[in-house]
Amino acid sequence: DVKVTQSSRYLVKRTGEKVFLECVQDMDHENMFWYRQDPGLGLRLIYFSYDVKMKEKGDIPEGYSVSREKKERFSLILESASTNQTSMYLCASRSQGAGNTIYFGEGSWLTVV
Amino acid sequence: AQTVTQSQPEMSVQEAETVTLSCTYDTSESDYYLFWYKQPPSRQMILVIRQEAYKQQNATENRFSVNFQKAAKSFSLKISDSQLGDAAMYFCAYVGNAGNMLTFGGGTRLMVKP
Repeated sequence: DVKVTQSSRYLVKRTGEKVFLECVQDMDHENMFWYRQDPGLGLRLIYFSYDVKMKEKGDIPEGYSVSREKKERFSLILESASTNQTSMYLCASRSQGAGNTIYFGEGSWLTVV
Repeated sequence: AQTVTQSQPEMSVQEAETVTLSCTYDTSESDYYLFWYKQPPSRQMILVIRQEAYKQQNATENRFSVNFQKAAKSFSLKISDSQLGDAAMYFCAYVGNAGNMLTFGGGTRLMVKP
């Protein structure tokens, strides 16, 4: 089975803190994604990576950055957390090819106080 | 940019009955893929069904089928013989044939009444 593992399920951080969300996939997928899920807004793409050290901005990249130093690992970084970044964050991976299934991690609930 | 719209924030269905979830999308591409994903309370997203735009035949997976109307840019999901385990959020998603980034709709919460 494909496994996408997000290291933290629940986090509570203070405003202004630097936050790291880690994601690891075990299927050698080229593509990795970070989505944010909010009620009524569905899943919105923050960043996408199609190869090591390569990244593209998604729909809502402001306030976020990413790092992909190894193929299996994709990190989301909140440089200075703010309360409006309280959300569920979903990591996903997918092999190259438009019709291929995207696999999600279990999500990380982040609360910024 | 592509957009995906799910106009029903919530739906409910009686156990064993049939329910249809709506999805419309906007694109200028001719080749693309459409998906329905299920997200149960555990939050783990599960692929329900996939449709390739160049295929006229509607995809079917057991109790799940789609009504794909390419000209109308509509992609609805029909769940037959609904079961309690079908209760979840359902997301419609689009990806262009040359692309990698999926665009998701806002989701429909499906409740199944015993």
